[in-house]
Amino acid sequence: DSGVTQTPKHLITATGQRVTLRCSPRSGDLSVYWYQQSLDQGLQFLIQYYNGEERAKGNILERFSAQQFPDLHSELNLSSLELGDSALYFCASSAGTGPNGYEQYFGPGTRLTVT
Amino acid sequence: AQSVTQLGSHVSVSEGALVLLRCNYSSSVPPYLFWYVQYPNQGLQLLLKYTSAATLVKGINGFEAEFKKSETSFHLTKPSAHMSDAAEYFCAVSTWSSYKLIFGSGTRLLVRP
Repeated sequence: DSGVTQTPKHLITATGQRVTLRCSPRSGDLSVYWYQQSLDQGLQFLIQYYNGEERAKGNILERFSAQQFPDLHSELNLSSLELGDSALYFCASSAGTGPNGYEQYFGPGTRLTVT
Repeated sequence: AQSVTQLGSHVSVSEGALVLLRCNYSSSVPPYLFWYVQYPNQGLQLLLKYTSAATLVKGINGFEAEFKKSETSFHLTKPSAHMSDAAEYFCAVSTWSSYKLIFGSGTRLLVRP
């Protein structure tokens, strides 16, 4: 158990809908990362937050957005869903600073199926 | 910019045989390098990491990896494969200036009895 929790575990929704994925980082970690894993694209970095502020952005679509709240949990919002958004979405956390600030620990993922 | 190439999408070994999973990286600055393992229907677990200290890095479950700057490689090895090692393995790179992980395409390890 990495200490990172993600809810829900599975989501099935229809095209055009909006969903919210939730992540709670390990205790003490200030940085949260979101990744998408799909068969055709592999594991892709989406976005990083550090202590509530956006720090880095990757291949995140404009239909997707994220935020990190004062209690450090994070939410990834996916809107106007398309079939191609079906994937496994992982959250990871790290200290974000200090000698081991780069070590990322992954949650179990949320499997999103768009029908 | 950073990138990772994992040679071989599938590697099959017999139980007890040497495991060798290959990873080559590209980075314009000194890299941090990682190996993660993913078991079916689970998240990614950190196996080991290289961060510019010792070039031979030991990880969990008997795995180790050697950083070779001249070859831009970070291959993962284990002397003797167990059935429980069957999983998908990902090599990843990041840097001190950007903690985001850039992953390779993964190698699925099959262990034959």
